[in-house]
Amino acid sequence: QSALTQPPSASGSPGQSVTISCTGTSSDVGGYNYVSWYQQHPGKAPKVMIYEVSKRPSGVPDRFSGSKSGNTASLTVSGLQAEDEADYYCSSHAGSNSGYVFGTGTKVSVL
Amino acid sequence: EVQLVESGGGLVQPGESLRLSCAASGFTFSSYWMHWVRHTPGKGLVSVSHINPDGSSSSTSYADSVKGRFTISRDNAKNTLYLQMNSLRVEDTAVYYCARSSDWCLDYWGQGTLVTVSS
Repeated sequence: QSALTQPPSASGSPGQSVTISCTGTSSDVGGYNYVSWYQQHPGKAPKVMIYEVSKRPSGVPDRFSGSKSGNTASLTVSGLQAEDEADYYCSSHAGSNSGYVFGTGTKVSVL
Repeated sequence: EVQLVESGGGLVQPGESLRLSCAASGFTFSSYWMHWVRHTPGKGLVSVSHINPDGSSSSTSYADSVKGRFTISRDNAKNTLYLQMNSLRVEDTAVYYCARSSDWCLDYWGQGTLVTVSS
């Protein structure tokens, strides 16, 4: 299973918005509404921010939103804050025998 | 409170073996699919293996890069997930996380355990 494709980096000033894309295939992103997004700060475990394309777990700010069109999913962080600076990974279900496939990761910088 | 605590990482030479453990608490362990995911600075997060709630070998899966060398298992009586890693390679060096699957995502993660394979 090949990794999903994400841009290596994205950035924005405090208060601005940033959108990260995640491109897969019809066998993963395009085939299931099971895309999730994870935030990982250096030296810390990943934390789920979005699941099932656009749902937010309890405690995740509504500044984080997700969407999907065809084989590409997106994560938007609105009203950027300093603590949003982290690596972000998308993930998609890829079939019962394949589990989850992750994206290549995007480093978000808050300028 | 859900907790996942990994252990068993360390420094080994190529070709050697390690067994990772993940102690689970705060939820009904036997009801959830469980995963091992590894992280490296160069490749990011990569799914290594997963196992179904009752631990039957017919419902396990492995990344191609570890197939035939790694074995996932679980002891639901001990609320513990395992990853037996044999014939370790330099490229297996990573932080290994165990994670719980729910609502089609990995909703809880352990703190990770570092595996370093080097001569």
